[in-house]
Amino acid sequence: EAAVTQSPRNKVAVTGGKVTLSCNQTNNHNNMYWYRQDTGHGLRLIHYSYGAGSTEKGDIPDGYKASRPSQENFSLILELATPSQTSVYFCASGHRGSSYEQYFGPGTRLTVL
Amino acid sequence: GEQVEQLPSILRVQERSSASINCTYENSASNYFPWYKQEPGENPKLIIDIRSNMERKQIQGLIVLLDKKAKRFSLHITDTQPADSAMYFCAASASGGSNYKLTFGKGTLLTVTP
Repeated sequence: EAAVTQSPRNKVAVTGGKVTLSCNQTNNHNNMYWYRQDTGHGLRLIHYSYGAGSTEKGDIPDGYKASRPSQENFSLILELATPSQTSVYFCASGHRGSSYEQYFGPGTRLTVL
Repeated sequence: GEQVEQLPSILRVQERSSASINCTYENSASNYFPWYKQEPGENPKLIIDIRSNMERKQIQGLIVLLDKKAKRFSLHITDTQPADSAMYFCAASASGGSNYKLTFGKGTLLTVTP
């Protein structure tokens, strides 16, 4: 099974501060994704990447940036955090090919005060 | 893009009965429909999926049906157990190519009572 890890697992930030969420996968998957999960909204795609050096906007990219410096690492960056970005963030990875399956990391709980 | 509607949002059934969750999608080009199960405090995990070249798929007590004409797919859990209690998400692929982007429904909270 794909191994996807996230750090930190919990984060408290102040409004206006910069937050970086990190994701690492060790199965050499091409595609990586960042979602946020909120009650009543399910999982919503923020940014995704289909390889090192690429980032694409998902369905709710406003207020977020992403960085994919290598095949293994995909970061989500909140330059100016706001309380509305308080959420649980999941990273996922998937192989480009015949399988569409996405493997999720354990999640990061972010609270912006 | 794609929009996925999932109903019901809350489902409560008695042990050993069946549970059904329904999803609809908008994009006729969507061709992959997975179902994820998420236990409290855990990450979502794939439990079953179906591609557009199939109408029915079964893995043990899980059955997925796909009606492409109606743009509708559903998950049926037979002989439910308390361990089936969790949040369930359906999803649909928005596009093919190299991106494999999924659009998720808002989830169904299933509770199986003894």
